[in-house]
Amino acid sequence: DQQVKQNSPSLSVQEGRISILNCDYTNSMFDYFLWYKKYPAEGPTFLISISSIKDKNEDGRFTVFLNKSAKHLSLHIVPSQPGDSAVYFCAASDSGTYKYIFGTGTRLKVLA
Amino acid sequence: DTEVTQTPKHLVMGMTNKKSLKCEQHMGHRAMYWYKQKAKKPPELMFVYSYEKLSINESVPSRFSPECPNSSLLNLHLHALQPEDSALYLCASSQDSSVSPLHFGNGTRLTVT
Repeated sequence: DQQVKQNSPSLSVQEGRISILNCDYTNSMFDYFLWYKKYPAEGPTFLISISSIKDKNEDGRFTVFLNKSAKHLSLHIVPSQPGDSAVYFCAASDSGTYKYIFGTGTRLKVLA
Repeated sequence: DTEVTQTPKHLVMGMTNKKSLKCEQHMGHRAMYWYKQKAKKPPELMFVYSYEKLSINESVPSRFSPECPNSSLLNLHLHALQPEDSALYLCASSQDSSVSPLHFGNGTRLTVT
């Protein structure tokens, strides 16, 4: 049972445009959400997080939006750069535990 | 450079071997994690240590044995593995809070022959 899903395995975007990556979850106990970027042969790198008391968090080019009623979050990258090309994972946790559950990942390709 | 260091980067072992994966962090984090990642799959949680005590074991087979000698070190002892255990093993750490991000090492690529 996949509690965190990323339904788009891949996404291609032109340099300078917006990249929107989506993530859905099923467990209503999840209240902390994160996005990670992963390059080949490296571990995941933390990008940005959001707690369920907020619906938006911004850090530079990265913004995460949370829609609790729809159990949906998204990551916006503006403007997209070729160096952003990587696999992006969303993750979710119930803050009462140390269990972080990862989504299936979306491969982003930013075209120059 | 990652602040979580894993050694070795690559490991090839036979099914009768005993080996250990090592992880070290110096960020003062009190929670440490082992994840396993197969190709084209998300990282899957294996174990969590909090304040050097095992707090989560996700029903991992006993051929994987974790150890946390102190707050900076985390080991994963391997014995009698199967070829299907071949994967990327990721170590992570976080502050003493379940609302703080995980910081990952670059992993150990394990191949069981």
